[in-house]
Amino acid sequence: RKEVEQDPGPFNVPEGATVAFNCTYSNSASQSFFWYRQDCRKEPKLLMSVYSSGNEDGRFTAQLNRASQYISLLIRDSKLSDSATYLCVVNEMNTGFQKLVFGTGTRLLVSP
Amino acid sequence: NAGVTQTPKFRILKIGQSMTLQCTQDMNHNYMYWYRQDPGMGLKLIYYSVGAGITDKGEVPNGYNVSRSTTEDFPLRLELAAPSQTSVYFCASSYLRPGTPTGELFFGEGSRLTVL
Repeated sequence: RKEVEQDPGPFNVPEGATVAFNCTYSNSASQSFFWYRQDCRKEPKLLMSVYSSGNEDGRFTAQLNRASQYISLLIRDSKLSDSATYLCVVNEMNTGFQKLVFGTGTRLLVSP
Repeated sequence: NAGVTQTPKFRILKIGQSMTLQCTQDMNHNYMYWYRQDPGMGLKLIYYSVGAGITDKGEVPNGYNVSRSTTEDFPLRLELAAPSQTSVYFCASSYLRPGTPTGELFFGEGSRLTVL
């Protein structure tokens, strides 16, 4: 089983749609969780951290389910500019060093 | 602030050649990392450093070497390049306060390396 697993997609949605991505992780001792966004042929950039209680940033909502070991990202009112690959990242935290494990990413294509 | 700067952006190497990917950051971050990203794969950690003079292996260190003589610079050396090292390489940095489990990674724009 992969340490961090994501559906590679692509998810093709029209503008204005709501889309959700899930990510599962295998290490139950993982400490913190993130979503990074990566545009085509660009570097990853932090989209948002994921907190136990769930958190929202504008049109983006992230949730964590520790019992089932999955993280989700919900995007409401999709924009063309949301087209990108979304990377799920898990910190397995190995004694003082943040061991970040990246998923392979879920590709989102938003069309007019 | 320039952030994290990587050079070169593109390079073609012949099998057996050596080269150094340069990485510098101007944010005074203590942690620095080198990742590689292959098509359809997640980023894999090659080496990391928690401060000047301290480096350690990541998940896929074979065929690479690093050094961290200053806080700002973290070059990655490829010795005896092989086709399996064809990849996109990302340098990243972050600032971790003592006792803080994690910090945001800031990435360079990437270096696309092809070994023929």
